[in-house]
Amino acid sequence: DQQVKQNSPSLSVQEGRISILNCDYTNSMFDYFLWYKKYPAEGPTFLISISSIKDKNEDGRFTVFLNKSAKHLSLHIVPSQPGDSAVYFCAASEDFNKFYFGSGTKLNVKP
Amino acid sequence: EAQVTQNPRYLITVTGKKLTVTCSQNMNHEYMSWYRQDPGLGLRQIYYSMNVEVTDKGDVPEGYKVSRKEKRNFPLILESPSPNQTSLYFCASSPGTPGAREKLFFGSGTQLSVL
Repeated sequence: DQQVKQNSPSLSVQEGRISILNCDYTNSMFDYFLWYKKYPAEGPTFLISISSIKDKNEDGRFTVFLNKSAKHLSLHIVPSQPGDSAVYFCAASEDFNKFYFGSGTKLNVKP
Repeated sequence: EAQVTQNPRYLITVTGKKLTVTCSQNMNHEYMSWYRQDPGLGLRQIYYSMNVEVTDKGDVPEGYKVSRKEKRNFPLILESPSPNQTSLYFCASSPGTPGAREKLFFGSGTQLSVL
């Protein structure tokens, strides 16, 4: 059974608006949470991370929120740009050796 | 240019014919790992290596072998491929140092089809 789940396979938003991508996990031992972005025919690239001791981490237009009690994290992209159109993977790890990824959410930002 | 290089990019083979997918990184990274990506399942970790001669199983290691004889190389070996190993494979590496361990650098992928 998947320990990290992304229940929305796709999301479509208008350029300039906020994109919110969600992720749920089941293992309370996870200490680190990550988001990766993937374009077609390329490998995933690291976007942003958060450790379990924080509830928010920001990097430019990207903010990750962590709700440990709900075992839920979300990625906010503000404002969304057409170049943000990609598949976004959520991932989690206890120790940076084993990583567990979600199934991905395909974001489409319309001009 | 800093990169993770996988070869081949595409591979079609038949059941039972041993194959190796190579992975090489030029960033002197300690940590390397292999993943497979399947529709609806995302990326699943096959094996990882914390350093030379140190490897361990990920989430889906059955049917795969790895070796880490040199720091830069981490080949994935399928001794007897089966159709359920048809997938898109990614190799990744990271510095393994505090503050950077979460930043996995991925290769471009190897699309494997086992007939």
